Amino acid sequence: GAVVSQHPSRVICKSGTSVKIECRSLDFQATTMFWYRQFPKQSLMLMATSNEGSKATYEQGVEKDKFLINHASLTLSTLTVTSAHPEDSSFYICSARGRRGSPLHFGNGTRLTVT
Amino acid sequence: GQQLNQSPQSMFIQEGEDVSMNCTSSSIFNTWLWYKQDPGEGPVLLIALYKAGELTSNGRLTAQFGITRKDSFLNISASIPSDVGIYFCAGQPSNNAGNMLTFGGGTRLMVKP
Repeated sequence: GAVVSQHPSRVICKSGTSVKIECRSLDFQATTMFWYRQFPKQSLMLMATSNEGSKATYEQGVEKDKFLINHASLTLSTLTVTSAHPEDSSFYICSARGRRGSPLHFGNGTRLTVT
Repeated sequence: GQQLNQSPQSMFIQEGEDVSMNCTSSSIFNTWLWYKQDPGEGPVLLIALYKAGELTSNGRLTAQFGITRKDSFLNISASIPSDVGIYFCAGQPSNNAGNMLTFGGGTRLMVKP
């Protein structure tokens, strides 16, 4: 069964509004979670690394003020897309690992459409 | 981030045929992972490899961690229609302390019944 739960699976919002995406580890404590973005027919692009209890580390070119990440507990990380624009429409996927060295498991992704 | 070189980009095969895909890198990797992604869903882990030369099977799937630590392959034997999807390799470079993954560009597999 799924070990990482992501919610919602789909969301449609109007331009200028904010959207929150949740990522939960179900059977383990996730000290680190990763947020990816995937464009159609392309591979996954790492956006940021979320560490429990500390600030997220963003990849080059990713706006930290636009993509707010909060990893407040060992089982939950959230990604908030603020003031969304149509170009933010994409497939966002989170992943989590428990203990060091264990493989990453992915959530089912969130399809964001900004109108 | 940097992508691995994954090939082929796509394959269209007949049901029952075997499939082979591979990933190469100019850097040394400590870990190789193979994922499958169905449309509209997140990637699902198929096989994880942790040692150079390691050969691991998962049902009809077999993957190997190259001895040079710069490549890996995934084989699927006797393909069936539900094997359709995108397969991604992913690796953790040896100089990466944060366990971030580098992904291949994906191999899109199509199976004709």
